[in-house]
Amino acid sequence: NAGVMQNPRHLVRRRGQEARLRCSPMKGHSHVYWYRQLPEEGLKFMVYLQKENIIDESGMPKERFSAEFPKEGPSILRIQQVVRGDSAAYFCASSPMGEPGGYTFGSGTRLTVV
Amino acid sequence: QKEVEQDPGPLSVPEGAIVSLNCTYSNSAFQYFMWYRQYSRKGPELLMYTYSSGNKEDGRFTAQVDKSSKYISLFIRDSQPSDSATYLCAMSALYSGSRLTFGEGTQLTVNP
Repeated sequence: NAGVMQNPRHLVRRRGQEARLRCSPMKGHSHVYWYRQLPEEGLKFMVYLQKENIIDESGMPKERFSAEFPKEGPSILRIQQVVRGDSAAYFCASSPMGEPGGYTFGSGTRLTVV
Repeated sequence: QKEVEQDPGPLSVPEGAIVSLNCTYSNSAFQYFMWYRQYSRKGPELLMYTYSSGNKEDGRFTAQVDKSSKYISLFIRDSQPSDSATYLCAMSALYSGSRLTFGEGTQLTVNP
């Protein structure tokens, strides 16, 4: 039973480019969460999605960031026109029921903006 | 002021020591409390999950929650070099669904 799969593991983008981060939840999990971990900081909630629905996006920056979890395929976190401050580790987690203690995290995508 | 405060360390102990890790919080609505372990370049791994106040034990790990003091602790007995990692506390309120608020993490090194 594969865990939460994130790809790519490392992503380098130049300022102004777009970054697409993918997350495939564990089998049987229909709830997906994205968190961002800046250097020397804890994880910060970004967005919570179920299939085809955004449930809570209270942690998403108002501009340039978007997320989706389509009926088929992985969840995508998209960052348009990246800036140096977007450099961070982005973690995806999934759970079967949406309860706080049921998360399984992926290994993250480390985004570097140069 | 941060909602969750956690001393980032680093904390260095000899093998076999008892380790105490702590977090304080300001939001009295938090009811779900978790401890995660994160190895370098990996995702967080859930260690302990407790609801409301009280103690919970799992092997060498004990989690304590004191809601009256807004204080949670994780104790590691007979610490091993393999316990060397960053430990993150996390909390959630009933109204926030499953959104977690994390502490900054404490970096622990257990020396052989």
